Amino acid sequence: GAGVSQSPSNKVTEKGKDVELRCDPISGHTALYWYRQSLGQGLEFLIYFQGNSAPDKSGLPSDRFSAERTGGSVSTLTIQRTQQEDSAVYLCASSLIAASFNEQFFGPGTRLTVL
Amino acid sequence: DAKTTQPNSMESNEEEPVHLPCNHSTISGTDYIHWYRQLPSQGPEYVIHGLTSNVNNRMASLAIAEDRKSSTLILHRATLRDAAVYYCILTAAGTYKYIFGTGTRLKVLA
Repeated sequence: GAGVSQSPSNKVTEKGKDVELRCDPISGHTALYWYRQSLGQGLEFLIYFQGNSAPDKSGLPSDRFSAERTGGSVSTLTIQRTQQEDSAVYLCASSLIAASFNEQFFGPGTRLTVL
Repeated sequence: DAKTTQPNSMESNEEEPVHLPCNHSTISGTDYIHWYRQLPSQGPEYVIHGLTSNVNNRMASLAIAEDRKSSTLILHRATLRDAAVYYCILTAAGTYKYIFGTGTRLKVLA
């Protein structure tokens, strides 16, 4: 079956512009997660959704970052007034439910470059 | 969140077994041990997970120490496609987010 998909695969933007990154989770998965991986760095958690609500936004680096999920499916991560330090690969993952024992399925990521 | 420690890099010859260690001395009784790997330019991929007992699947085996303070991911016959960064991650009961460390970069030699 289809895995997690993300779009666009690559995004180049100018400093100060807003960007939207999209994630389509696996059908039926109620939990959705956003991570980012900066060049040469590990992956860091940003936010997670259970259904349409986001109980944990603790990883969002600043108030320029926001995310929403609609219909318990597609999620959008929005970065306002992008900065060069926002350049990274943004990864989305989904799981059947949010639980410590569940496997997370990751998408291929969106590579964001802020000039 | 309990911390994991892994070697930065390891090498293996093709067709030979690989043992990737992970130390997690502060693990709690209900923490799950997950292993993921990340191939170049891809998102992380699930490998295996366990709680207390050793686990086997088609990709690998997970050997968990009796005191649970360490675990070992075993690839029975390394192939060139197994070259990746391998992450050992702990998740506590009631948590869901992964805290990734720096992982082990596995190089497989032909």
